[in-house]
Amino acid sequence: SQQGEEDPQALSIQEGENATMNCSYKTSINNLQWYRQNSGRGLVHLILIRSNEREKHSGRLRVTLDTSKKSSSLLITASRAADTASYFCATPLGGGSYIPTFGRGTSLIVHP
Amino acid sequence: GAGVSQTPSNKVTEKGKYVELRCDPISGHTALYWYRQSLGQGPEFLIYFQGTGAADDSGLPNDRFFAVRPEGSVSTLKIQRTERGDSAVYLCASSSLTGVGGELFFGEGSRLTVL
Repeated sequence: SQQGEEDPQALSIQEGENATMNCSYKTSINNLQWYRQNSGRGLVHLILIRSNEREKHSGRLRVTLDTSKKSSSLLITASRAADTASYFCATPLGGGSYIPTFGRGTSLIVHP
Repeated sequence: GAGVSQTPSNKVTEKGKYVELRCDPISGHTALYWYRQSLGQGPEFLIYFQGTGAADDSGLPNDRFFAVRPEGSVSTLKIQRTERGDSAVYLCASSSLTGVGGELFFGEGSRLTVL
């Protein structure tokens, strides 16, 4: 089963533009994570935001969390061609389990 | 090595054969996860180990799938009587945190193709 779903499924932008991806989930969570996956590679952890946090920054990444709307967003500012990848949000399985479960991801293409 | 290591990186087998996929987690990580990822999809949870024991195997699709972690480090995912639908990338991840859903460190995956 999966909790989170990313939106949009695909995003194509020019280098230098900002990219925004959204994640919606169904049940209460204690944290939400964002991961990145380059084609043919494993996932790499980007950022974890806890349920009592509303916003978190890491370099060019900004993550927000709205627990009332059960949604999160990942903003990549001043995108680069190297940001081309799939981005996934991960939320706990629920029902007392903290096992991270993933949505289908957003495929981001940044054109140089 | 410093990261999670998975072998083989690629495995091609025939329908009905038995397959083993190995995961060597980051040293000291007690939590180990197996996921399966099909093309265009996100990772699908299979099984979670805390130490040597399978704490949650609710994601295993059927009894052809089995995983072990006998010494609390290396884990092996075993698939019996493989079917074409088993073709996917099998990802392993480890974590130093348990019970709180901490950061996962992923391997590069084992791509399984069942002909």
